Amino acid sequence: DTGVSQDPRHKITKRGQNVTFRCDPISEHNRLYWYRQTLGQGPEFLTYFQNEAQLEKSRLLSDRFSAERPKGSFSTLEIQRTEQGDSAMYLCASSFKPGQGFDQPQHFGDGTRLSIL
Amino acid sequence: AQSVSQHNHHVILSEAASLELGCNYSYGGTVNLFWYVQYPGQHLQLLLKYFSGDPLVKGIKGFEAEFIKSKFSFNLRKPSVQWSDTAEYFCAVHSNFGNEKLTFGTGTRLTIIP
Repeated sequence: DTGVSQDPRHKITKRGQNVTFRCDPISEHNRLYWYRQTLGQGPEFLTYFQNEAQLEKSRLLSDRFSAERPKGSFSTLEIQRTEQGDSAMYLCASSFKPGQGFDQPQHFGDGTRLSIL
Repeated sequence: AQSVSQHNHHVILSEAASLELGCNYSYGGTVNLFWYVQYPGQHLQLLLKYFSGDPLVKGIKGFEAEFIKSKFSFNLRKPSVQWSDTAEYFCAVHSNFGNEKLTFGTGTRLTIIP
């Protein structure tokens, strides 16, 4: 499978614990996006990378959230001191940078479902 | 700021019925428009997209959408639905420059009755 891969698929943790999710994008893609989706809502943008550079963070991303893409390949999203409101599906997507001659949209992974007890 | 409205939250149709799902967006500049589908237990998949050119775009599985700039709309249509079209449908938009972050609507759950 050469699609976007996310790990784990489901994470259950107690309030106050730290969690880390991983995303492996499609290998040729240089852009990587993180979104969050809560029940009954569409995905909401959190942050994105172009290669290893984090270029934008949403106001939804509080100081407890941090994302990295150290070598411009896989990315991690860490949530520190988790709260009940962090329960959601965390989605990763990847794409080509526009203007590279590819008219390609974002491709999504299966997501990591976070449940806070 | 961009926003997307999908007014149909849950649509129930019988097989072979025609489908139209509404999508309206709010943004002052040039946008690119998308419909994504999420089948039960699967990831979001692209149905179709509009970047420029012919405002009537055709996607996979017999779906099409029409971009009407004056109405800020991008409605999804299919002339005859199948049971396998049961899924959640999301309209999304991003600006034509910048980071291409997607703004999604709240989604429409489509249930097809055999």
